Formats: sequence, structure tokens, C-alpha cells
Amino acid sequence: EPEVTQTPSHQVTQMGQEVILRCVPISNHLYFYWYRQILGQKVEFLVSFYNNEISEKSEIFDDQFSVERPDGSNFTLKIRSTKLEDSAMYFCASTLPGAGSEAFFGQGTRLTVV
Amino acid sequence: AQSVTQPDIHITVSEGASLELRCNYSYGATPYLFWYVQSPGQGLQLLLKYFSGDTLVQGIKGFEAEFKRSQSSFNLRKPSVHWSDAAEYFCAVGVEGNTGKLIFGQGTTLQVKP
Repeated sequence: EPEVTQTPSHQVTQMGQEVILRCVPISNHLYFYWYRQILGQKVEFLVSFYNNEISEKSEIFDDQFSVERPDGSNFTLKIRSTKLEDSAMYFCASTLPGAGSEAFFGQGTRLTVV
Repeated sequence: AQSVTQPDIHITVSEGASLELRCNYSYGATPYLFWYVQSPGQGLQLLLKYFSGDTLVQGIKGFEAEFKRSQSSFNLRKPSVHWSDAAEYFCAVGVEGNTGKLIFGQGTTLQVKP
């Protein structure tokens, strides 16, 4: 069964450092997403990406965040200068087009900023 | 604005007992509705989804959910809970606009007593 894979599963970084979270979406999917879940809170939408550009972003997704699809398979989330409040589980997801399409989620990357 | 409310933060049921997890949504048009399950340390797995048609939908692991437009609800049910069902359950609404963005509820943590 196709799946979304994320690496690393856990990353610890010092405040102010840059981090890159990596995702390999399902190969025939066209929409890619990043979501965030702060411990004990709901899963929050960060950004959607389609046709090599951001299609929608939340207010959380400020200038410290960026996404990229550097090649035909990877989808990355970069946080330029991490803050303590960036500590969270970050989920990548991918879907076929259409609002009702099922989103397949990766296992997540737990980011801990110290 | 679209929103999802899961009124019960934590529910405990005995193994073998029936289960109902509540979900209410706020959305102007016909919603696309989803239930996801998250086991500890794991990603999000789709249990079931509603797009249109029959308002009672069946999912994996013996779960079902009923869409009630008049009550803006999409409650998840299972007739007999197993200890392995202990997890966090998220209700989500899919937003129109073809981005596939999901709005999640706060989640309900299910504990199963032996």
C-alpha cells in the first residue's frame, strides 16, 4: 500500500537553528501539505502546495517557514530560525485533487527546540 | 469560518461496551467529513469519510459514523470496543476550493478499561 514517509522521525535542535523536515508523498498525488500538532493540541493546517507553488497558507506559516519540492519526489518544510514554540509534531500529507480527496498522512516528525 | 468541535476531550469505556464520539461542524456548504485515529507515537489513519449519499458510512476496524445535517453532526460509533481502540480520535472537515485542506477538531482521547 502506498504511503507517505517522513524523515527524520525525531529531531532536536537549538533555538535559532535552521531545520529541514523531509517528506516523500505518494507518487501520483498532486497536492502536498504540512500540518502541525503542538503537544496536547489539535492538528493545525500550515500550508498546501500544488503545481510547484503554495496554494494556501495559514497565519502560522510566516516568513520563518518555507516549503519546496526540490525534485520529483521530495517535499520539504524549512524553518529558518527555530523558536521554542516551534516544538511540535509535524505531519506531511498528500492527496489527489478535489476537496473530498482522502489525505494520506506520514508518521510525523517530532521537532524539539531547546 | 469553518470549525470542528469535539465536545469530549477524554472518554473512558469498558472493553466490549459501545462507543460514541461526538463531532459538530460549522460549514456553510455540504461538508466533506472525516474521522482519523492516532495511536500513540503514530501518524493519522483514516477511519472513514463522508462525501455524499448514504448518511451512515462504514469504516475500518468496525467503526461507523452518521452524518446529520440538521444537527451539523458527524458522530463516530462502534458497537463493541476493543482494548486496541485506545487512541486519539480526530474529526475533520474538508474545505472547498480544491486545496484539500482539513480543519481538525481538538480530538477525543479514548481510554479502554479491561
